Parts: sequence; C-alpha cells; structure tokens
Amino acid sequence: DIQMTQSPSSVSASVGDRVTITCRASQGISSWLAWYQQKPGKAPKLLIYAASSLQSGVPSRFSGSGSGTDFTLTISSLQPEDFATYYCQQANSFPRTFGGGTKVEIK
Amino acid sequence: QVQLQESGPGLVKPSGTLSLTCAVSGGSISSSNWWSWVRQPPGKGLEWIGEIYHSGSTNYNPSLKSRVTISVDKSKNQFSLKLSSVTAADTAVYYCARVAVAGIVNYWGQGTLVTVSS
Repeated sequence: DIQMTQSPSSVSASVGDRVTITCRASQGISSWLAWYQQKPGKAPKLLIYAASSLQSGVPSRFSGSGSGTDFTLTISSLQPEDFATYYCQQANSFPRTFGGGTKVEIK
Repeated sequence: QVQLQESGPGLVKPSGTLSLTCAVSGGSISSSNWWSWVRQPPGKGLEWIGEIYHSGSTNYNPSLKSRVTISVDKSKNQFSLKLSSVTAADTAVYYCARVAVAGIVNYWGQGTLVTVSS
C-alpha cells in the first residue's frame, strides 16, 4: 500500500493567514492526488484533483501543487469557513489511501 | 445533481454482518463511474473500503477483502456493502460515494454511523 503522510497534523492560524499543508507519498504517484475538506459531522468535500486542478465551485484561494511524492495544499488567505480538517488521497493505485488529516484551527 | 443516501442498521452485534445500502438519485448507477464505500472511525481518519462498477467489477481494500462484499442493483439504482465478522474496530461512519475519472470521489453521501456492540 502507498502510505500518505500529512504534516502538520494540526495548525493554528488567523483569518487572513496563508496556510500550507504538505502531503508525502511513500512512492511516486505522478499527479494522482486529491485534497478534501471535512467539517465536523459532515462528509468530505473535494477541493483539488489531479494535484492542482480546482474542483468546480471551490474558491480560488485554494490551490494545490506537486507531483511524484511531494504535494502541497495552500490556502492563500484563510477565511472563517475554512476552519476544518483537510485530507489528501492518492488515486495512483489500489488500495486508495488517505493521509492522516490536518486540522486547521482558529488561533 | 447526484445525491447518495446510505441506509441500514445503526447497531450490529460483534461477529455479525454489517449491511448498508446506498440509494443513488439524480443520476444513473449505470453511468461511467465507479461507486465506493469509505469509512471513518470516530475521531479518526478516512479508510477506503472498496468500489464497484455497474458491470459488477470490484476493487477491495486487501485489509478488508476477506470480509467485504460490494454489490450493485441496477434495477433499484443502488449499491450495497456487506462486512462480515465485525468487531468493535469496525465501528465507524460509513460513507457511500461516487468516484469520478481518476479515482477521485466527487460526490458523497451524508454518512451513517454503525456501532458494533452487544
């Protein structure tokens, strides 16, 4: 299985801050990576697919980059509705695997 | 707009079989998509269980493969999950989902909590 490692596991930030979350794959996955946002009690929501493509309807302050084994999700200016947990997921091979999550908290 | 709705017992006894159904509306289960199950233990991360195509082709997580069966019912536009020999470790919110091209989930059900307890 491909292991997905996210860092940090949590981050405290203020509204307006730039936030960067990292996801590392245990082996190369090309650009087969997605990012999801999950709020408490809700299903995850797709933000980014193919490492850097913004899902329709997702604000442009979200962006993704990377290929191979190292990926980042950046929120350029944190908004109150962005406080949530973020997960990466590889779609290069089976079984699909997720990172452990990064909780973005209010500072 | 595709909508997915999970249904099934919220409580299953240890050693029993967990059975859930996902009803798909706003789209056909015979479209060019795979249909998946993902679970999340309370307070923990996401785990991919497996997926099915309308033809009946499946992919399963090897960690669960011996206990999992995913099936599709095209006449009812739904798909199902069975997980046998459950233990407390199988307690989780179970999500059904639609998989887009490239293995990405773009539609999720609201999730249903299944507790394994006597």
